[in-house]
Amino acid sequence: EVQLLESGGGLVQPGGSLRLSCAASGFTFSNYVMTWVRQAPGKGLEWVSFISDSGDRTSYADSVRGRFTVSRDNSKNTLYLQMSSLRVDDSAVYYCAKNSTVDYYFDSWGQGTLVNVSS
Amino acid sequence: DIVMTQSPDSLSMSLGERATINCKSSQTILYSSDNKNYLAWYQQKPGQPPNLLIYWASARESGVPDRFSGSGSGTNFTLTISSLQAEDVAVYYCQQYYTSPFSFGQGTKLEIK
Repeated sequence: EVQLLESGGGLVQPGGSLRLSCAASGFTFSNYVMTWVRQAPGKGLEWVSFISDSGDRTSYADSVRGRFTVSRDNSKNTLYLQMSSLRVDDSAVYYCAKNSTVDYYFDSWGQGTLVNVSS
Repeated sequence: DIVMTQSPDSLSMSLGERATINCKSSQTILYSSDNKNYLAWYQQKPGQPPNLLIYWASARESGVPDRFSGSGSGTNFTLTISSLQAEDVAVYYCQQYYTSPFSFGQGTKLEIK
């Protein structure tokens, strides 16, 4: 069974930094593209970033490019999202998602971790 | 960037009724080289992460009840629930994966009347 467990969320002041982690199990992590999606309270889903299976290719939403960095450690089956220069509008539940075998839709999701950017 | 627009924003239906949710993309998401529509549908129940229902616009994910079906091509797509059940109360999202950024629709909230 695929399991994705996010951690690292919390309260941070505007301008601060936070690193999210997503521990994966139940599948061969190194074979899959992984994605971060966020959801502001009471709002819809927003795609944030993806990283290729080997980690050599990444992509970001305009809203986070230059402030967020996605990475992965295939030896630890873990996905990361380093967030810096955080803004109030970055407050959201951050989900990690496993891409399908064949393309950029998401067949498994974690439960999410809440990031609250507030002074 | 491709903008995905869903309609309606909310829907109130009776048990057993047919529910239809529409999704329109700002440009075609039909890839001519493989004749596939790069569209997925997700269901998100309260307090839960999204769950994949449909991909390639009409392929049902394993384990998804067959009352859920997807249709459409090019820029116009539909998710249909043939006979609404109580457990279908959720927000439904479409998502294009034709090109990055892989955008979602704003969501359609489905309630039981």
